[in-house]
Amino acid sequence: EIVMTQSPATLSVSPGERATLSCRASQSVTSNLAWYQQKPGQAPRLLIYGASIRATGIPVRFSGTGSGTEFTLTISSLQSEDFAVYHCQQYHNWPPITFGQGTRLEIK
Amino acid sequence: EVQLLESGGGLVQPGGSLRLSCAASGFRFSNYAMTWVRQAPGKGLEWVSVIRDSDGGTYYADSVKGRFTISRDNSQNTLYLQMSSLRAEDTAVYYCAKVLVVVAAALDHWGQGTLVTVSS
Repeated sequence: EIVMTQSPATLSVSPGERATLSCRASQSVTSNLAWYQQKPGQAPRLLIYGASIRATGIPVRFSGTGSGTEFTLTISSLQSEDFAVYHCQQYHNWPPITFGQGTRLEIK
Repeated sequence: EVQLLESGGGLVQPGGSLRLSCAASGFRFSNYAMTWVRQAPGKGLEWVSVIRDSDGGTYYADSVKGRFTISRDNSQNTLYLQMSSLRAEDTAVYYCAKVLVVVAAALDHWGQGTLVTVSS
C-alpha cells in the first residue's frame, strides 16, 4: 500500500500571504494525486486532481504541482475562507486509494 | 446539481450490524464508480470500499474486508454499505463519494456523511 505523508501537520499563515503544503508518496504515483479542502463539520471538497488540474469552480489561487513522489499545493493569497484542513490522496493503480493525514491551515 | 445523501447511521453495539444508504441524484448514477470513505473523530480520511460502474466489481480496505459489503441499485440510484461484526474502531463519519472517472479516481462529489458509533 502506498503511504502518503503530509507536512507540516499545522501551518500558520496570515491572510493575504502564500501557503505551501506538501505531500509525499512512499513510491511513485506519477500524477495520480488529488487535493481536498475540508472545513469543520463539512465533507471534503475536491480542489485538484491529476496533480495540477483544478476541479470545477475552484479559484485560480489554488494550484498544484509535482509528480512521482513529491507534490505541493499552493494557495497564492489566503482568504479567510481558505483556513481549513487539506488532504492529499493518491489513486495510482487503485484500489486501494490512500490519503495523507492532513494539514491544518490556521490563521497566524 | 449532483447530490449524495447518506442515511442509516446510528449507535450499534460491538458485534452488531448496520446498513448505510446513499441516495444519488443529478447525474447518471449507473455510469460512475462509487466509493465509501470514513473519518474517525478527529482523524484523517480512510478509504473503505469502491464499486465499479462497468461490471460492479468491488474492492475493500483490509480493515473491513470480510465484514463490510458494498452494493448498488442502479434502478434506484442508491449505493449501500452493509456493515457487520462492527468494532469500536469502526466508529466514524461515513461518506459516500462519486469517483470522477475510472482513470482518475479523484472523488468529485461527496455526501454530508452519516455517523456510525460502535459502543456498548
